[in-house]
Amino acid sequence: GNSVTQMEGPVTLSEEAFLTINCTYTATGYPSLFWYVQYPGEGLQLLLKATKADDKGSNKGFEATYRKETTSFHLEKGSVQVSDSAVYFCALRANTGNQFYFGTGTSLTVIP
Amino acid sequence: GAVVSQHPSRVICKSGTSVKIECRSLDFQATTMFWYRQFPKQSLMLMATSNEGSKATYEQGVEKDKFLINHASLTLSTLTVTSAHPEDSSFYICSARDPGLAGGDNEQFFGPGTRLTVL
Repeated sequence: GNSVTQMEGPVTLSEEAFLTINCTYTATGYPSLFWYVQYPGEGLQLLLKATKADDKGSNKGFEATYRKETTSFHLEKGSVQVSDSAVYFCALRANTGNQFYFGTGTSLTVIP
Repeated sequence: GAVVSQHPSRVICKSGTSVKIECRSLDFQATTMFWYRQFPKQSLMLMATSNEGSKATYEQGVEKDKFLINHASLTLSTLTVTSAHPEDSSFYICSARDPGLAGGDNEQFFGPGTRLTVL
């Protein structure tokens, strides 16, 4: 079946620290992979995506590379800001059907 | 990007009453919308897929008679929680795909969510 596992939080970092949030998946076929961000009181927003192996998604300084060999899609940012404080969700969409499968979310707090 | 709204953002109701939540795509037509439920500190669970002009497709374990979904137009889907009980208290989120967007088939735009509290 399809599932997503991401590291549990909460994660607390100082401003300008390096961020990694791990995400691994199991899927039948070749899924598309996503990172969504949820700011307090808001809905989910797409942060970045990758649709095939070795693709790198990037946005707002965040990056994630689709690694088929390790079934991973880890999120990284070299220097976090206070405004990056949010909950981050890793997700996959199977290559058949409409359903998205989400990880449990990782809460990030960045302190000045 | 495409915008999806939900109304209300927050609702408190008494046990046994019904609550309707609206999901609208504001600047695009969505033939398909999705309803999710999010428990505290947990992920989103897909409840059902709402198809304009036809019956919704419910995920296994979701009671279709309790969670009524109506997708009457290309920009509006509603979720009605019938005879709500405290265990139905949760955060309900809708999403929609924008088929007119390049690659839009591969992305979902999410509403801000509705916090339901059943007393």
